[in-house]
Amino acid sequence: DLQMTQSPSSLSASVGDRVTITCRASQSISGYLNWYQQKLGKAPKLLIYAASSLQSGVPSRFSGSGSGTDFTLTISSLQPEDFATYYCQQSHSFPHTFGQGTKLEIK
Amino acid sequence: EVQLVQSGAAVKKPGESLKISCKGSGYSFTSYWIGWVRQMPGKGLEWMGIIYPGDSDTRYSPSFQGQVAISADKSINTAYLQWSSLKASDTAMYYCARLLAGDSHDAFDIWGQGTMVTVSS
Repeated sequence: DLQMTQSPSSLSASVGDRVTITCRASQSISGYLNWYQQKLGKAPKLLIYAASSLQSGVPSRFSGSGSGTDFTLTISSLQPEDFATYYCQQSHSFPHTFGQGTKLEIK
Repeated sequence: EVQLVQSGAAVKKPGESLKISCKGSGYSFTSYWIGWVRQMPGKGLEWMGIIYPGDSDTRYSPSFQGQVAISADKSINTAYLQWSSLKASDTAMYYCARLLAGDSHDAFDIWGQGTMVTVSS
């Protein structure tokens, strides 16, 4: 299976901060990379697909970039509702593995 | 409204069987793959497998192949996840999700609310 490694595993930040989360694939996945947000007790929500395409309804402060093996999710100005856990997922080959998650907490 | 509605929480004993469901509405159920994702308590997301309800084509993660069965009944727009003999380690939240597929992407765009499965003697 392709391995997806996120960093950091946890992150403390303040409202208004710019935050970047990194995801690395164990081999090239081209642009087949998705990002999800999961709040406590809720189902995950798709934020970004195909590495940089913003899902409908997702605020423009979220952006994604990268290709090959290295990808980033950036939140340009953190809002109170953004504190959650974020997961990357590769959809290049089965099984479509997830990263281990990055927990974004309030500083 | 496009939605997936899952069956309610289940409490079972080790060795028992279980089938949980995921009913789609508001879209053409037979035209989209449906996937299942496990989340053990306090842990991350694990991709289990997907099914295409139109022809029941199914793909499993090697980690779950032989441990669960994924099926679908297109006549009632419902996908299923089934265990023949539960173990305590199957205790988890299980999500179904619709796969948004395109030339350059596959992503789960619509998620069910989750079904909590607890296996305890």
